[in-house]
Amino acid sequence: QITLKESGPTLVKPTQTLTLTCTFSGFSLSTSGVGVGWIRQPPGKALEWLALIYWDDDKRYSPSLKSRLTITKDTSKNQVVLTMTNMDPVDTATYYCARVLTGTTDAFDIWGQGTMVTVSS
Amino acid sequence: EIVMTQSPATLSVSPGERATLSCRASQSVSSNLAWYQQKPGQAPRLLIYGASTRATGIPARFSGSGSGTEFTLTISSLQSEDFAVYYCQQYNNWPPSLTFGGGTKVEIK
Repeated sequence: QITLKESGPTLVKPTQTLTLTCTFSGFSLSTSGVGVGWIRQPPGKALEWLALIYWDDDKRYSPSLKSRLTITKDTSKNQVVLTMTNMDPVDTATYYCARVLTGTTDAFDIWGQGTMVTVSS
Repeated sequence: EIVMTQSPATLSVSPGERATLSCRASQSVSSNLAWYQQKPGQAPRLLIYGASTRATGIPARFSGSGSGTEFTLTISSLQSEDFAVYYCQQYNNWPPSLTFGGGTKVEIK
């Protein structure tokens, strides 16, 4: 069974740095073609892709947020970590991680349940 | 950045009827297009990838078509469990970006 689960703070203050961890099972991020991405969704709004990391450590970022984002992986722990600097109330959202299989679906085929992050002083 | 525009924003459909959702890309994404379904309080679920291939376990009443800049998701006979928000997403390789549309809410008429 393939699962992903997001974890991190539920509340952060403006200007702080957010660190989210995606812990997954049922697949390996050292397998060719596998990637894990982060997507967020403000309350009542649409999905927004943030970042993606592949098995070969290739990293992709949303152009509009690139300066604030860093994505890393720890293959031995089956984890992907996203950091977002200089948090603002507009960053309040549910943050999801999801798996990508390049060369097959090339889409986010399995998603975590999401974690809600509120930015407020 | 490629912009994905979905229409309509809301679609009112009676159970058993056909629903047709549209997604337009600001530039060609070839067939690198996925559709997702999201119900309240849940994570999105992959329905269609490669513009027209159903994901594992997705019923045959869901079908996708199109290429380039114009795409369609069709639900042939709406079931009660299909009332949800649907998002398209492009995953073109160059420029390297992934973008979602604004979503279409399918509601009961």
